[in-house]
This record gives sequence, structure tokens and C-alpha cells, in this order.
Amino acid sequence: GAVVSQHPSRVICKSGTSVKIECRSLDFQATTMFWYRQFPKQSLMLMATSNEGSKATYEQGVEKDKFLINHASLTLSTLTVTSAHPEDSSFYICSARMGLAINEQFFGPGTRLTVL
Amino acid sequence: GQSLEQPSEVTAVEGAIVQINCTYQTSGFYGLSWYQQHDGGAPTFLSYNALDGLEETGRFSSFLSRSDSYGYLLLQELQMKDSASYFCALLSGGYNKLIFGAGTRLAVHP
Repeated sequence: GAVVSQHPSRVICKSGTSVKIECRSLDFQATTMFWYRQFPKQSLMLMATSNEGSKATYEQGVEKDKFLINHASLTLSTLTVTSAHPEDSSFYICSARMGLAINEQFFGPGTRLTVL
Repeated sequence: GQSLEQPSEVTAVEGAIVQINCTYQTSGFYGLSWYQQHDGGAPTFLSYNALDGLEETGRFSSFLSRSDSYGYLLLQELQMKDSASYFCALLSGGYNKLIFGAGTRLAVHP
């Protein structure tokens, strides 16, 4: 089956620093990648949608200067949390879509970010 | 915009059948899907309905009624490993993105 990886799986950083999270589709080329944020025992909130080579489309209320998304290739997207603060602590999950069918969208294992 | 409602928690015993309901509001409907997520893990796709009726995939089935803006996930022959969170999600924006409900935590007991 299609595999999506994320790196790192866990990161702890100091307030004010920036953190980069990588999302890779390992065995397929992703037409579109999505970034979600999930607080404990809550839903996945879509942050942004990105297509290779173009600017990401951010959901309402998501600061694009705070959460920088770079979709460098058909297999790699990165999310950079800039000047992180404790309220940015969350579980960040990426998802990659292989095709148009809903069962062709696969989720990464998530990255647990803790900002001290 | 879109919104989905599902129960926050459901408890059942091994071997039983459980139904998790989902009601939704959306201006444009493209499909309702269901995902399972174990604590700290990735959501995994379970089922999808674009048309009214029942879709069966092994022990899991999903139903949709577009006129009622309602769907459910049916889990049969429950096993301990089915303890997880289950999310319904709307396809939105012309198939471009998924909008998730708040999730239902299912606890399966012996």
C-alpha cells in the first residue's frame, strides 16, 4: 500500500525557534498534499493544501507567515512553524493524494510538536 | 461552510455491533468518508459513500442518506483492536479537501 512518512516523529523546541517538519510520499507521486493539526482528543483541522510548484492555499484563520509550506517536489512537502510558541504545541499530520479517488489519499504518522 | 456532528464516545463489548452516526451540513456534497485513528497514529481510510445506500467492507459498513444529511458507520463482531477514534469526513471544494468531524472514541470491553 501507499506509504506517507513524516520526520521527525517528535520534536521539542524552545519558544521563539523555528521547526521544520517533512512529509514524504515514499512509493507514489502526490498530486496534492495537505497539512492538518490535531489537538488531543479533537478533530483534524485542515491547515493548508499544497500542490507541487505552486503556493499553498491556507484555510481561513491559519497564518501563512507563521506556518510556511513548501511543496518542492511530487514526493516532498515541508511545514515550517516559525517563531514557535507554546500554543503551537500540537500533533501535525500530513496527507498525500495519489489520485482523485478518496481512497487514494493517505495520511502520515504525524509529528508531535512540543514548544517549551 | 461545512460542519459535521458525531457522538463523542461510544462503549461496546467484544463481539457486539455498534453504529456511529454522523450528521452534516454542507453547501455542496461530494461524499462522506470514514476514518479510524488509534491514539498517536495516522488516520486510516475505512469507507466512502457518494450515493445513498450501504457500502460493505468486511466487518465495517457505511450508510448514507443524502436527503437526511446523515450517515453512519456500522462495526460488527467488535474486537478489542477496534478501540480507537472514528471520524466522519466530508469531501469539500470539488473533491479537493477533507473536512473532519470531531470524532467518536470507541471503547471495546471484554
